[in-house]
Amino acid sequence: DVKVTQSSRYLVKRTGEKVFLECVQDMDHENMFWYRQDPGLGLRLIYFSYDVKMKEKGDIPEGYSVSREKKERFSLILESASTNQTSMYLCASSSLGRADQPQHFGDGTRLSIL
Amino acid sequence: QQPVQSPQAVILREGEDAVINCSSSKALYSVHWYRQKHGEAPVFLMILLKGGEQKGHEKISASFNEKKQQSSLYLTASQLSYSGTYFCGTPVGGATNKLIFGTGTLLAVQP
Repeated sequence: DVKVTQSSRYLVKRTGEKVFLECVQDMDHENMFWYRQDPGLGLRLIYFSYDVKMKEKGDIPEGYSVSREKKERFSLILESASTNQTSMYLCASSSLGRADQPQHFGDGTRLSIL
Repeated sequence: QQPVQSPQAVILREGEDAVINCSSSKALYSVHWYRQKHGEAPVFLMILLKGGEQKGHEKISASFNEKKQQSSLYLTASQLSYSGTYFCGTPVGGATNKLIFGTGTLLAVQP
């Protein structure tokens, strides 16, 4: 079974801090994704990576950056955390394909910015 | 543009049936369905790739009407374990693995 592991289930940080969320997958997937989940808004894509060092912006990239130095690891970075970034963050991975590959999700990190 | 799911929420008794719809204003190349139980990760249910395709997973099945740009998820004889939020996802800009998800449908099955 595919395992997507997010480093923390719960995280509390202060406004202005630089925050790192880590995600590791063990199935050699090419694609990795970071989503934000808020009530009533569903899952919104922040960033997408299809290869090491390659990335694409999603729907809501402002205030975030990403890093993919190794194929199995995809990091989300909040450059200067703000209270409106309090949310649930989900990482996912999938094989390379043409819209026919399922995404496998981690358990999520619930981030609170105080 | 984000797919529209309906209804937003539904409450059922065990054994009842439900239908969740997913509609897009743009042409659909494929439709993915996921279920997320409270406090857990979303879990993949099925992908429909072709217009007219129907698939089943236990007592959960789905159809894909390419012309109408919509998909429907059918839950038959619902069980307590079916409770959760159901999301549809469609590829952004055609044949790509980058998905845009609907806002979700909360399904609660009561004894």
